[in-house]
Amino acid sequence: GQQVMQIPQYQHVQEGEDFTTYCNSSTTLSNIQWYKQRPGGHPVFLIQLVKSGEVKKQKRLTFQFGEAKKNSSLHITATQTTDVGTYFCAGPMTSYDKVIFGPGTSLSVIP
Amino acid sequence: KAGVTQTPRYLIKTRGQQVTLSCSPISGHRSVSWYQQTPGQGLQFLFEYFSETQRNKGNFPGRFSGRQFSNSRSEMNVSTLELGDSALYLCASRAAQETQYFGPGTRLLVL
Repeated sequence: GQQVMQIPQYQHVQEGEDFTTYCNSSTTLSNIQWYKQRPGGHPVFLIQLVKSGEVKKQKRLTFQFGEAKKNSSLHITATQTTDVGTYFCAGPMTSYDKVIFGPGTSLSVIP
Repeated sequence: KAGVTQTPRYLIKTRGQQVTLSCSPISGHRSVSWYQQTPGQGLQFLFEYFSETQRNKGNFPGRFSGRQFSNSRSEMNVSTLELGDSALYLCASRAAQETQYFGPGTRLLVL
């Protein structure tokens, strides 16, 4: 069945350093979604990418969707303590398929 | 619009009991998905309901079941609870092919 992997599992950075998490699916995805979950909270939607090779930016966050629509990355520039949390990628094989989540990357930011 | 609501927020049960969790989606959203989140297994897809029909199903035993009502509200039931069922149960709603919005979750503890 469809599997979504993410690396790294954990990342500790000094405040101001950059951070990148990578997402890989075993199958081609219809779209890729990114969520952030703060400790004790629930996943909150960040962004959705649909097109092959698509790049989107949200302030200090840059999201990419691979050409083959099987991988994606999230890059945070100059991390802040408010970036702390677990970042999940997720996606369905088709628009109406179940959305499968990766295991997440837990980010800690040391002030 | 009001967000996704889940009740109850916290629940303590003993092994062998059964439990019913409720989810009210965002108004206008006809799809409701359920996920189980545990520290070791991440976010695992349980099932998705759309217009009162189960559209997708994850790899959980038959003890886990769900349903959706005509107003799109959904319930999930777990029978014969096991210690390993202790988890955060999240529901997410979406409209058509749009992204998912999560509720705050129900934290279930099985003793």
